[in-house]
Amino acid sequence: SSELTQDPAVSVALGQTVRITCQGDSLRSYYASWYQQKPGQAPVLVIYGKNNRPSGIPDRFSGSSSGNTASLTITGAQAEDEADYYCNSRDSSGNYVVFGGGTKLTVL
Amino acid sequence: EVQLVESGGGLVKPGGSLRLSCAASGFTFSSYSMNWVRQAPGKGLEWVSSISSSSSYIYYADSVKGRFTISRDNAKNSLYLQMNSLRAEDTAVYYCARDMTPQQLADFDYWGQGTLVTVSS
Repeated sequence: SSELTQDPAVSVALGQTVRITCQGDSLRSYYASWYQQKPGQAPVLVIYGKNNRPSGIPDRFSGSSSGNTASLTITGAQAEDEADYYCNSRDSSGNYVVFGGGTKLTVL
Repeated sequence: EVQLVESGGGLVKPGGSLRLSCAASGFTFSSYSMNWVRQAPGKGLEWVSSISSSSSYIYYADSVKGRFTISRDNAKNSLYLQMNSLRAEDTAVYYCARDMTPQQLADFDYWGQGTLVTVSS
C-alpha cells in the first residue's frame, strides 16, 4: 500500500487563510477526502471528491488537487477550526485505504 | 438520523481475542460499504478493514491480515470485527465508518463514537 504525507503542524492567524497539503502517489488516481478531528471526538468528513462539502460544513472549507498533491484550504480560519486534519484515499491498487499522518492546525 | 454505535471493546491479554460490533441505524445498511478505522492513543488514524455492501469484497491492512476478520449481517444492520492473536500494538480506539460512495472511494461520511481496545497483561 502507498502512503500519504502531511505536515505535522500548521498555524494560522485568526481570519486568515491556511492550506494543508497531502502528498502521495495514489492521489494521481484518486481524490483525497479530508477529515477534521477535535480532541476526544470522532473524525468528521469536511471535503470529498473533487471539491465537495457534506451538509453542514462551512463554505470556508475547500479542496483542490494537482498531480500527487491534494490540498485543504480554510479561507478565514475561525477559532473552532483548531483541530487535527487527516487526508485519505484509496491506494494505487484500489484495494486498500490509506490515511495521512495528520496535521495539527493551530489558530492563533 | 444516521447512527453508528460500536461496542465490544475492553481489556484483553496479549494473544487473546475480542469481537467488536457496530450497530447501524437511520439508513439502508445493506447498500453501503463499511470500514473499521483505529487510532492508537495520541496517534493518527489507521484504516483496518473494509467490506462491501454484499460482503463480496473484503480487504485488510497488512498489519492485521490473518488475525482480524471483518463481517456483516445486513439483516441485523450490524458490522463486526473479530480480532484474534491480539498484540500490544493493537491497542486503540476502533471506529466503524460508512463509505458514502458506491465505488468505495474511501469517503467516510459517518463515524461511530469509537470503542477502546486495550491489549495488556
